[in-house]
Amino acid sequence: GAVVSQHPSWVICKSGTSVKIECRSLDFQATTMFWYRQFPKQSLMLMATSNEGSKATYEQGVEKDKFLINHASLTLSTLTVTSAHPEDSSFYICSATSGGGIQYFGAGTRLSVL
Amino acid sequence: AQKVTQAQTEISVVEKEDVTLDCVYETRDTTYYLFWYKQPPSGELVFLIRRNSFDEQNEISGRYSWNFQKSTSSFNFTITASQVVDSAVYFCALGFSTGGFKTIFGAGTRLFVKA
Repeated sequence: GAVVSQHPSWVICKSGTSVKIECRSLDFQATTMFWYRQFPKQSLMLMATSNEGSKATYEQGVEKDKFLINHASLTLSTLTVTSAHPEDSSFYICSATSGGGIQYFGAGTRLSVL
Repeated sequence: AQKVTQAQTEISVVEKEDVTLDCVYETRDTTYYLFWYKQPPSGELVFLIRRNSFDEQNEISGRYSWNFQKSTSSFNFTITASQVVDSAVYFCALGFSTGGFKTIFGAGTRLFVKA
């Protein structure tokens, strides 16, 4: 199956710093990538959808300036959590699709903001 | 509304029992996809199956089987002869294109399989 690599898998940072998470499709070209957030024992909440070369589409309630998404190529999307605060601590998951509806997921990034 | 409901929060079974995970969906799209994903303790989501709205055929893959019924808007998932390794959270998801293609997830069902 298709492989999506997400890095880092775990990051701890100080409040006020910015953190960048990378999502790469390793063996296919991803026309669309998605970013989700998951709180403990809860479902995945879609944060934004990004298409290569265009601005990301954010879901209602997601701060665009807080969560910067860049989809510079067909194999790479990045999520930057700017000026992170403890309430941003969460499990962030990316997924990628080349069409057909099936999304392949990265392993997730656990962010802890102190 | 576009919605996925997994009414079972947690299910606990003994190994070798059969277990069915329920999924009910709502959508105004006539073309849509339904999915099941498995999330083991490691956190990574594993794709299990995709069904499009025009294909109501049930499917069996090893110990897994899926029952798609448009009349009741349900897409249930059955594990036969469960094993400890099946312990995970299982998510049912709905993919639709209104407003740009996206996938929404149900709340998940946490399955515990005891030896």
